[in-house]
Formats: sequence, structure tokens, C-alpha cells
Amino acid sequence: EAEVAQSPRYKITEKSQAVAFWCDPISGHATLYWYRQILGQGPELLVQFQDESVVDDSQLPKDRFSAERLKGVDSTLKIQPAELGDSAMYLCASSLPRGEAFFGQGTRLTVV
Amino acid sequence: GESVGLHLPTLSVQEGDNSIINCAYSNSASDYFIWYKQESGKGPQFIIDIRSNMDKRQGQRVTVLLNKTVKHLSLQIAATQPGDSAVYFCAETHSKLTFGKGITLSVRP
Repeated sequence: EAEVAQSPRYKITEKSQAVAFWCDPISGHATLYWYRQILGQGPELLVQFQDESVVDDSQLPKDRFSAERLKGVDSTLKIQPAELGDSAMYLCASSLPRGEAFFGQGTRLTVV
Repeated sequence: GESVGLHLPTLSVQEGDNSIINCAYSNSASDYFIWYKQESGKGPQFIIDIRSNMDKRQGQRVTVLLNKTVKHLSLQIAATQPGDSAVYFCAETHSKLTFGKGITLSVRP
């Protein structure tokens, strides 16, 4: 069964260090999302791609976060420098245009 | 109920009973709605969806109802099972997928 792949599953990093997450969407899904989910809350959209183009990054803290999807397939989300408040689950999802979003298992980030 | 801080509202039901989970959405332009189930440590899992030209859609043991007049969405689960215990989120979209606050469903054996 096709699924969204994310790595790593868990990441512990020291504050001020750089960290990167990777996502491979379901094959053929042009839309890719990165969400951040703080414990006890719903996922919040960080960035949305349509193919290789960013269509929404209004909630992405651009001073420290960056996202790319160079070939319109897999995507990387980077944080530099990481702060304690960045500890959260980072979720990637993909969808067909106007279709339901399928989520990966997420990357649990702990900043110490 | 209303969530306070990190505590999600909780719905506790007896195994075998029907569950109704409610959600109010905010964007009147939203035209596509999805219910997700999230188990601890996992990503959200698609349950059922509905488009704004419908007011009811049924799946296996689940039914979604949409009331656009009051911007209300509900998820009904028939014969609730222990495996249904999870956090449930409604999500709405027009151009981007936005999640509600989530409700914890706890099934008593």
C-alpha cells in the first residue's frame, strides 16, 4: 500500500544546532504539506507545495525554517538554529489536487 | 467542551454504543471536509470526507454530517470498539487544509 515516508522517526538535537527532516510523498501526488503538531494540539500548516512551487508558507518562521522540493517529488524541511520551542512532531502529507491528504508517521523532534 | 491548555476535550463511551463527535469550522469558503483519527505517536489517518455539495456521507461504521448553515460537522461511529480510542480531528479546506482542535475518544470496555 502506498504511503508517505518520513525520516528520521525521532531526532534529538541541541538548541542552536541545525536539523533536517525528509519526506517522500505518495507517487503521483503533486501537493505536499509540512505540518507541525505540538503535543495536545492539532497539526498546524507550515508550508504547502504544488509540485516544486510553494503555494503557502505564511505560517513558516522564515528566519529559521526553510523547505524545498526541488524536483517536485521528495521534500526537506530544515531548522537552523533549533530552539527549545521547536520541540514537536513534524508531519508530512501528500495529496492529489483537491483530494484527501495522506500523512506520514512524522518526525518527533526534541530540542535540548 | 472547550480545550484548556494542553488538555483536549474527551468523549467517553461504552463499548458497543454509538459515538458522536462534533466540530465547528470557521471558514465559510471551505468546500471540502475530512475527519482524521490519530493514535498516539502516529500521523493522522484518513477516516471519511465530504464535499460541500453534500450533507451526509456514510462509510463503514462511520457517518459524516455537514451543516453549512451553522458551519458544523459531525462524525458518528456506530458500535464503538476499543480500537476506536484515539484523538479525532476535523479538517476543512478551500485552498489549504486546516485542522480543528481535536477530541479524545475513550472507549470503556
